[in-house]
Amino acid sequence: DAKTTQPTSMDCAEGRAANLPCNHSTISGNEYVYWYRQIHSQGPQYIIHGLKNNETNEMASLIITEDRKSSTLILPHATLRDTAVYYCIVRVALSGNQFYFGTGTSLTVIP
Amino acid sequence: GAGVSQSPSNKVTEKGKDVELRCDPISGHTALYWYRQSLGQGLEFLIYFQGNSAPDKSGLPSDRFSAERTGGSVSTLTIQRTQQEDSAVYLCASMRAGVQETQYFGPGTRLLVL
Repeated sequence: DAKTTQPTSMDCAEGRAANLPCNHSTISGNEYVYWYRQIHSQGPQYIIHGLKNNETNEMASLIITEDRKSSTLILPHATLRDTAVYYCIVRVALSGNQFYFGTGTSLTVIP
Repeated sequence: GAGVSQSPSNKVTEKGKDVELRCDPISGHTALYWYRQSLGQGLEFLIYFQGNSAPDKSGLPSDRFSAERTGGSVSTLTIQRTQQEDSAVYLCASMRAGVQETQYFGPGTRLLVL
């Protein structure tokens, strides 16, 4: 079962920052937070992951609260191509466990 | 190729027939996952391989579903006596085990059972 809660859908204006929230109140100390996205008719694509510290890469930033019970994925300048379903996953690394994708947040970037 | 590949990309079959779906993972990736995704739904975990062994088969929906992996590389998912409810996109992902574990997905096989 997915251990995360995400809003079902969100809209964002093109060029603005998209902030996608995720609650994971039962996260364990050794569980990482992963974000993937799935553009229509494609396989999911890895975006970013982190444990405690905030992370940034060329695609996005990940902000994890100090208590680690929630996180936010930030797309700094959303484009129409960022329209996708975004999945927040918590998982223990090196565990061989599966990734529980849940239902994700459907983000629509509006021109 | 650099990514995960799957074949066929599309498969239409008649109810009751057997189908085989193939996944070629990224070279060097020891972990391999199969998922399926019905129209408008999230990803449903099917099975996980570490090398050639499958420590987690918990997601296989029935004994009509089986999978194998040979040589720590290519994997085949077999569905026997297909049913209409098996229609879905079957996705394969591979991963190099380690602290910085991330899955890389193939494009999927779209299966339609008539």
